[in-house]
Amino acid sequence: TVVTQEPSFSVSPGGTVTLTCGLSSGSVSTSYYPSWYQQTPGQAPRTLIYSTNIRSSGVPDRFSGSILGNKAALTITGAQADDESDYYCVLYMGSGIWVFGAGTKLTVL
Amino acid sequence: EVQLLESGGGLVQPGGSLRLSCAASGFTFSNYAVSWVRQAPGKGLEWVSLISGSTYYADSVKGRFTISRDTSKNTLYLQMNSLRVEDTASYYCAKHFCSSPICSIDYWGQGTLVTVSS
Repeated sequence: TVVTQEPSFSVSPGGTVTLTCGLSSGSVSTSYYPSWYQQTPGQAPRTLIYSTNIRSSGVPDRFSGSILGNKAALTITGAQADDESDYYCVLYMGSGIWVFGAGTKLTVL
Repeated sequence: EVQLLESGGGLVQPGGSLRLSCAASGFTFSNYAVSWVRQAPGKGLEWVSLISGSTYYADSVKGRFTISRDTSKNTLYLQMNSLRVEDTASYYCAKHFCSSPICSIDYWGQGTLVTVSS
């Protein structure tokens, strides 16, 4: 099973963007404990959201997680220049196995 | 403050072995699941292995890599054998937010680079 993400997305400063995380076969639900990570070039990932919609410590409330239809979603409101990063989702597949999506490159312009 | 400090990366020939270490501090190491996650140059994140009460592996490393931890030293290990060129990556140590494998990662180390090349 492949975890799917948009390869790239663009948002204007101050705008709102929703990135999604799906499955090549089936629907994402809270039982997959979807989580979201932000990574800028040369840096370690940073945890934004875990267990669908729990914001990690220190993460601004501009970032929110949810289930939209059959996918997990990360919504960024009031996008800022330093939100320009790669965003990865990860899903729990059961039996101790986690699978990352290929990531979405977000451009703010 | 949670800190995870990886070490042990380097250059190794195909078929060789390497052991990575991750020194953990700022939390009760034995009470949390921890994982190794890797990232090949210019590529995305790939979950590799997790240890809680049991151990779990991605299919790509199963049978070649072994995860373990020494709670007396607050250190996580990844023994990597039969290394392949495609194992070249930065390897991150990552703490989960509880002891169960269903809990997501909340903290990351800075990574250590493993290069497999002849």
